[in-house]
Amino acid sequence: EDQVTQSPEALRLQEGESSSLNCSYTVSGLRGLFWYRQDPGKGPEFLFTLYSAGEEKEKERLKATLTKKESFLHITAPKPEDSATYLCAGAWSSNTGKLIFGQGTTLQVKP
Amino acid sequence: DAGVIQSPRHEVTEMGQEVTLRCKPISGHNSLFWYRQTMMRGLELLIYFNNNVPIDDSGMPEDRFSAKMPNASFSTLKIQPSEPRDSAVYFCASSFGTGVLAQHFGDGTRLSIL
Repeated sequence: EDQVTQSPEALRLQEGESSSLNCSYTVSGLRGLFWYRQDPGKGPEFLFTLYSAGEEKEKERLKATLTKKESFLHITAPKPEDSATYLCAGAWSSNTGKLIFGQGTTLQVKP
Repeated sequence: DAGVIQSPRHEVTEMGQEVTLRCKPISGHNSLFWYRQTMMRGLELLIYFNNNVPIDDSGMPEDRFSAKMPNASFSTLKIQPSEPRDSAVYFCASSFGTGVLAQHFGDGTRLSIL
């Protein structure tokens, strides 16, 4: 069964304290790995798509990387406004039209 | 640019009533997706359309749920009759194509069935 698993479920950081979120995925047939940010009461907001192992993408304090079995969302020197739930999702060759989402990591950054 | 627009934002109704959720995708996008989000099950795909045609409805929980897309700029998700276990946040998303492409989400409809 195609799936993604995110860890940790929740993460508390002090402002400026860098860390990483993990997303492990079903390796066979993965076509793309997506990261989204979701704020309370809002829909998920697209951040990145990664297509192949070794690929990296950056946006402000966020950098997403992809290996052959997992993806990381690195957060460098986070600010309180980075507090949100971060969702990972995958698309597989078995059904490329669908995204399958993980349960998310809820990040809280304290000033 | 206007994003995906969903209405209503909140809906509270009694068990047994018909519920209709509405979605306007981003102009030019030809794929539309309906999701349901709960604490227990996370974000689950219910159904998706490509060029107004339903492609995969395997996530629709049961016959009480139905979705239509009469044209490229409008879709509905209907629940009839509604039950308390249908309470959740329902999201609509759209994308340009059905390949491995980013989907863009609306802000959802929070549905409470009493």
